[in-house]
Amino acid sequence: SAVISQKPSRDICQRGTSLTIQCQVDSQVTMMFWYRQQPGQSLTLIATANQGSEATYESGFVIDKFPISRPNLTFSTLTVSNMSPEDSSIYLCSVDEETQYFGPGTRLLVL
Amino acid sequence: AQSVTQPDIHITVSEGASLELRCNYSYGATPYLFWYVQSPGQGLQLLLKYFSGDTLVQGIKGFEAEFKRSQSSFNLRKPSVHWSDAAEYFCAVGATYSGAGSYQLTFGKGTKLSVIP
Repeated sequence: SAVISQKPSRDICQRGTSLTIQCQVDSQVTMMFWYRQQPGQSLTLIATANQGSEATYESGFVIDKFPISRPNLTFSTLTVSNMSPEDSSIYLCSVDEETQYFGPGTRLLVL
Repeated sequence: AQSVTQPDIHITVSEGASLELRCNYSYGATPYLFWYVQSPGQGLQLLLKYFSGDTLVQGIKGFEAEFKRSQSSFNLRKPSVHWSDAAEYFCAVGATYSGAGSYQLTFGKGTKLSVIP
C-alpha cells in the first residue's frame, strides 16, 4: 500500500488566518481525497482531487474556504482559509489504490 | 445516497473476551464495505474490506467481518480482545463514481472500544 505523509502533523492557529496542509504519497495515484474529522465525529469528505483538473467539492464545502491544489500525481495541498474555531478538526488525506489508504492526519486547533 | 449506522457509540470489554461491533448500511447496489481503526492520535488504518465473493473476510490483527446482504450488515468480530485493541472503529461503505473507476467512502459515526485489563 502507498505510504502517505502529511505536514504539519498539528498546528495551533489564530482566528482569521489560513493554513496549508500538504499531503505527499510515495507512488503515483490518480485520485486523492481530503476529509475532515471534527472532534468526536466521524469523517466527512471535503473534496476529491484529480491531477490536472479542478477539485470536486462535496455539499457544504466551497473552494473559497478550502482551496485545493494537485500539481502532480504524488502531491496535494488543502488550505483552510480565514479560519474560525469551528474549523478545529483533524484533516486527513487519502489515496485510492483499489482501497483508500489514509495519511496520519493534521490536527488543527483554531483559537 | 448511501449511509452507515454504527448503533454502539461505546463498548467496554474485558481483555480476552470476544468482541462484535455492529454495522448496518444502506445502499442500492452491491456495496464495497470496509472497517478502519483509529488509535488515539493516529490516522486510520484499514482492518479489512469486502468487495465480492466469500462473505466472511479476514483482516489484520485477528479481526474478521461477515457480510449479510439480507440484514444489510457487516459486523466486525474478534474472538479474543487484547488491550492494544482499544481504539475507535469506523465502518464505511463505498459507492462507485461514474466513469472514474473509484469510489467515495461514507463513514459511520464510529464505535469507541475500551478494554479492561
